[in-house]
Parts: sequence; C-alpha cells; structure tokens
Amino acid sequence: KNEVEQSPQNLTAQEGEFITINCSYSVGISALHWLQQHPGGGIVSLFMLSSGKKKHGRLIATINIQEKHSSLHITASHPRDSAVYICAPTLSSNYKLTFGKGTLLTVNP
Amino acid sequence: SAVISQKPSRDICQRGTSLTIQCQVDSQVTMMFWYRQQPGQSLTLIATANQGSEATYESGFVIDKFPISRPNLTFSTLTVSNMSPEDSSIYLCSVWTGSSEKLFFGSGTQLSVL
Repeated sequence: KNEVEQSPQNLTAQEGEFITINCSYSVGISALHWLQQHPGGGIVSLFMLSSGKKKHGRLIATINIQEKHSSLHITASHPRDSAVYICAPTLSSNYKLTFGKGTLLTVNP
Repeated sequence: SAVISQKPSRDICQRGTSLTIQCQVDSQVTMMFWYRQQPGQSLTLIATANQGSEATYESGFVIDKFPISRPNLTFSTLTVSNMSPEDSSIYLCSVWTGSSEKLFFGSGTQLSVL
C-alpha cells in the first residue's frame, strides 16, 4: 500500500507570497497528480508528472522519482488560489490513485 | 478534455433506503472510477467501473452495498444501498481519458443520511 504524506496540512499566506506544498510517498510509482479542490467539492486536475518539472501559469510542479517526493509551488499567490491541494500518486497501468489528505491553503488579501 | 455531468448534486435520504448516482461523460472513456470523500477526509477509491463487466471493488467495499453499472463508455451509475448515517459523504466519479494527462472529476454528490 502506498502511504502518502503531505505537508503542511494547513497553510496561510499573504497575497503575493511564494507557496510550497510537499508530498512524499512510500512506494515506487509511475506518475503523480496534483489536484485542486475548492469549497463545494469541485476537483480540478492541475498536473500529472512522471519526471522533472512542469509549469502552468503561476503553478510549478516538480517530482523526484528516486527520492519519492514531489512539490507544488505557487508564485505570486492570490486569494483565488485558496483551496485544498491534493497529491495523488499512481502505479502504472491501472491508473488507480492513492490520495494524500490534502493541504488547505488560505491566501489573504 | 472531458466534461462530466453528475447527478444528483445533493440528497438527503432516510436510513435503509437506496440512492443511485449517475455520471454522464461527453466522450467515450475507458477508465471510470467512483470515489467517496468522508467529512474532513481525502478521497477513497470505491471501485473501477468496467464497461461490459463487473466493477472492480477496493478492499472494504462490496458489490451488495455499492452496485455499479457501466452499460457503455460514456455512462455509469453508483448505488448506495441500505443507507445508514455512516454513508453520509461526498461521492464523486472520475475518468481517465488516456489521451490527455489529466483526470476529470464530476462535481460530486453530497449525500446526507438521517
């Protein structure tokens, strides 16, 4: 079973700050998803990573497969970034995900 | 991309009754999943809905309690049977298109059992 640990569990930032959320997992994986869940339950997939780094707008995700670690960075944070961010590694062909407990990010104006 | 219509968005049900949740996808998808999110918790996979065959259930979930149908590549239902207050959760469907690198989620069904 893949154990997934996210840190921090809660994060409060001021608008404009640089945010980092970390994810560690216990078994080898083929890829990892970063998800964003807004209040009310809607979930959006931000990235899928299998190696290296991806960037989309102000969001950057990195993964180190050997270290079993991934990070999600938000540059120039904004109150609309306030959400729960969830990492979800997946083993190879079955696409089944294991979910971290999430990081609740609150960005204050 | 894929757009998922999930219904109902919420329901309040009596103990002992059953509720069927539907997910309709606007394109054919191979992999469809059903998740439960209990209050304050992250998502837990209930089962993988397989087209034309029985669903594959995760440990702790059984077909009698959570029967799933997948009649074609764009539609699936999850039934929560003989409900108890412990079944109060958000239930979500999700699809993996394979051709993209993203998962797509339905908007969720908020279920409260009295």
